[in-house]
Amino acid sequence: KAGVTQTPRYLIKTRGQQVTLSCSPISGHRSVSWYQQTPGQGLQFLFEYFSETQRNKGNFPGRFSGRQFSNSRSEMNVSTLELGDSALYLCASSSGQPNEKLFFGSGTQLSVL
Amino acid sequence: QQQVKQSPQSLIVQKGGISIINCAYENTAFDYFPWYQQFPGKGPALLIAIRPDVSEKKEGRFTISFNKSAKQFSLHIMDSQPGDSATYFCAASKGGNNDMRFGAGTRLTVKP
Repeated sequence: KAGVTQTPRYLIKTRGQQVTLSCSPISGHRSVSWYQQTPGQGLQFLFEYFSETQRNKGNFPGRFSGRQFSNSRSEMNVSTLELGDSALYLCASSSGQPNEKLFFGSGTQLSVL
Repeated sequence: QQQVKQSPQSLIVQKGGISIINCAYENTAFDYFPWYQQFPGKGPALLIAIRPDVSEKKEGRFTISFNKSAKQFSLHIMDSQPGDSATYFCAASKGGNNDMRFGAGTRLTVKP
């Protein structure tokens, strides 16, 4: 079974631009969660999508948004990029059942210049 | 605010030794406590997890000890190996959702 696939692997953007990250979950998984990982703040939950609906949301500004498609693939969008948005963005998929194992992708490393 | 506090920040252990990483949480509503292992360039991978109705869980060389009254839990890695060198994160969640609150991480180095 293929794992969680995140594209692109690396991204370089400038302040003020917007960016879209993609995540393909494990086949059969209906839940996709997004996390931001930085050296200073660690791993922080952004949001979770289940069956195309946002089920949970973390404490991030509205510039961070996401969506999920009918095939469970998910995209995350960050608008008006700031220097502080530089981070590793991780996607995790699961069946969506309570406390089921989260499978993380290798992430997209975003650098904002 | 950090809801899960993890220590130590870094740990060096000799091969064959025991690695111990500690976490403390504040929110008594947390009901699921996983530990993740992360290698450079990779996403975190679930090692072992525990629910608060159990005081200890063992899987191979990895053991979670859980103290509900103290709101603390720890990861013990027995017979530590160089291949265990990685960053370890404790986490907690509530209500069965995927909004995990992670500790700051412990960088473990196992010297051969």
